Amino acid sequence: KQEVTQIPAALSVPEGENLVLNCSFTDSAIYNLQWFRQDPGKGLTSLLLIQSSQREQTSGRLNASLDKSSGRSTLYIAASQPGDSATYLCAVSHGYTGNQFYFGTGTSLTVIP
Amino acid sequence: SQTIHQWPATLVQPVGSPLSLECTVEGTSNPNLYWYRQAAGRGLQLLFYSVGIGQISSEVPQNLSASRPQDRQFILSSKKLLLSDSGFYLCAWRNRVAYEQYFGPGTRLTVT
Repeated sequence: KQEVTQIPAALSVPEGENLVLNCSFTDSAIYNLQWFRQDPGKGLTSLLLIQSSQREQTSGRLNASLDKSSGRSTLYIAASQPGDSATYLCAVSHGYTGNQFYFGTGTSLTVIP
Repeated sequence: SQTIHQWPATLVQPVGSPLSLECTVEGTSNPNLYWYRQAAGRGLQLLFYSVGIGQISSEVPQNLSASRPQDRQFILSSKKLLLSDSGFYLCAWRNRVAYEQYFGPGTRLTVT
């Protein structure tokens, strides 16, 4: 069964710093990987989706990379801001069914002004 | 554009009472629909998913059930709530081409 791990569980950085969040998965036969942001008491907001054939995706200050063979993805946040404070989750889905998404437990990010 | 709605936003129910949570999606047709539960300090647990009207797959045996009476409507129910049913319930739909998932705002359920 697919297992998704996110390390660290919590991260605190000063404003302006660049940072990397990690996501690892045990079964490399994924269809895609999706990064989400969750604010306290809210639903999940999709940030980036990487198809298995892609190596990275970018949106504004966010860059997500995917290395299927090693079972890893990273989310790079440039020039962090206090508004980036949230929990970040990654999820992988498997191809031919695509009906299941496996989620990590998230990294709680605090950006200190 | 697509929008997903969930209601109610919060709910406090006594043990043994029934439950009905509703989710509707606008702006798309024939989506895959999902119910997740997020317990405090834990990850998302997939409860049910549906690939079409009347088609429900259950991932976790429990006292909850789901129904999809219309293409863009997904309902989570229980006949008798347990304390362990407390949590944050999230509905999601999936884009059938890119397989990207989109989530609703969630329902906070507290069973007392």
